[in-house]
Amino acid sequence: DAGVTQSPTHLIKTRGQHVTLRCSPISGHKSVSWYQQVLGQGPQFIFQYYEKEERGRGNFPDRFSARQFPNYSSELNVNALLLGDSALYLCASSYETAGANVLTFGAGSRLTVL
Amino acid sequence: AQSVTQLGSHVSVSEGALVLLRCNYSSSVPPYLFWYVQYPNQGLQLLLKYTTGATLVKGINGFEAEFKKSETSFHLTKPSAHMSDAAEYFCAVRYGSSNTGKLIFGQGTTLQVKP
Repeated sequence: DAGVTQSPTHLIKTRGQHVTLRCSPISGHKSVSWYQQVLGQGPQFIFQYYEKEERGRGNFPDRFSARQFPNYSSELNVNALLLGDSALYLCASSYETAGANVLTFGAGSRLTVL
Repeated sequence: AQSVTQLGSHVSVSEGALVLLRCNYSSSVPPYLFWYVQYPNQGLQLLLKYTTGATLVKGINGFEAEFKKSETSFHLTKPSAHMSDAAEYFCAVRYGSSNTGKLIFGQGTTLQVKP
């Protein structure tokens, strides 16, 4: 079975540009979460979606947005890129949301902002 | 604020030695606890989790962790390190009051295994 797939794996942008990152969850998983992992730090929660609705939002500016599609895949969008947005963006899927539910992570999209 | 602290950003052990990676969380309410491992250029892989019940949890690759409520700790151990254990390890918590899947991660501990 395919795991969580993310695209693109690597990308380079310049300040001020826009980026869209994509995620396909494990088949049957209805929840997708996004995390930002800056080099040398632990992942930080950005968003969670469940059944196409936003269930949670982390402490990130409005330049960050996301959505979930009817097939449960998801996009993360970042506008007006800053140098500090350079990071590994991780997508995770799960069958449900809270409690002991386990997140399965993809390999990530590494964004470099120049 | 809810937080997770991993003591020691780098831990170095010899092959065959005991591995001990420390994790403390900041709440009197027991959360759900997880350990993930990250190999270079890869995502996070679940090692083990604690939900309820037995406080000693066994995971994959010979790792185990013990939940100690009185110490608000969830330290990860492995009796004998293998070269393939070299990776970044993250402790994470999810609080029961959260209605989202939000995980709060520690800063990570890099495990180096020397031959």
